[in-house]
Amino acid sequence: EVQLVESGGGLVQPGGSLRLSCVVSGFTFSSYAMTWVRQAPGKGLEWVSGISNSGSTFYADSVKGRFTISRDNSKNTLYLQMNSLRVEDTAVYYCARGRKGAVVAVTLDYWGQGTLVTVSS
Amino acid sequence: QSALTQPASVSGSPGQSITISCTGTSSDVGGYNYVSWYQQHPGTAPKIMIYDVSSRPSGVSDRFSGSKSGNTASLTISGLQAEDEADYYCSSYTKSNTGVFGTGTKVTVL
Repeated sequence: EVQLVESGGGLVQPGGSLRLSCVVSGFTFSSYAMTWVRQAPGKGLEWVSGISNSGSTFYADSVKGRFTISRDNSKNTLYLQMNSLRVEDTAVYYCARGRKGAVVAVTLDYWGQGTLVTVSS
Repeated sequence: QSALTQPASVSGSPGQSITISCTGTSSDVGGYNYVSWYQQHPGTAPKIMIYDVSSRPSGVSDRFSGSKSGNTASLTISGLQAEDEADYYCSSYTKSNTGVFGTGTKVTVL
């Protein structure tokens, strides 16, 4: 069974940092592109960042230069390092798997349950 | 990377068919056949319903179908059922090697 479990969310002050993790199981992690998607409270989905199975990275303009996506295939874990956090980054952050063979994960066939990040003073 | 445009809400009676539109540009929807649709019930993670414009993952009802014409993609739900009441989002690959989601549509079953 494919599973994705996010962790690392919490309350942080504006300008602060946080690192999210997503531990996966049930598939060969190293073969798939992965992505982070966020959803602000009561709002729609926003594609945040993606990483190919070979480690190429892609970012939405809204987070470029502040967020860094990475992966550790030996630990079956996806990360999102978030720096210079803003109030508008407050959201539930989901990790999701791309379809096999995709370089950029935009067709997302499995999702975690999400972790809430709150940026507030 | 502007969000794709969807109607805020669509409603229908049980058994009826409804269609949700998703309008982008030639840099996303119109330029690639990588349009997906997701269903999201309150408090849960999104679920993929359609990928590559019109393909259905295994386990998804054939009452859900997708299409595209130019810069606009569409999701049709036929034989509307109470369990279809949810938020629906389209998404597309973009020329910037990123993804973009639609603004979301709330489907109400009357």
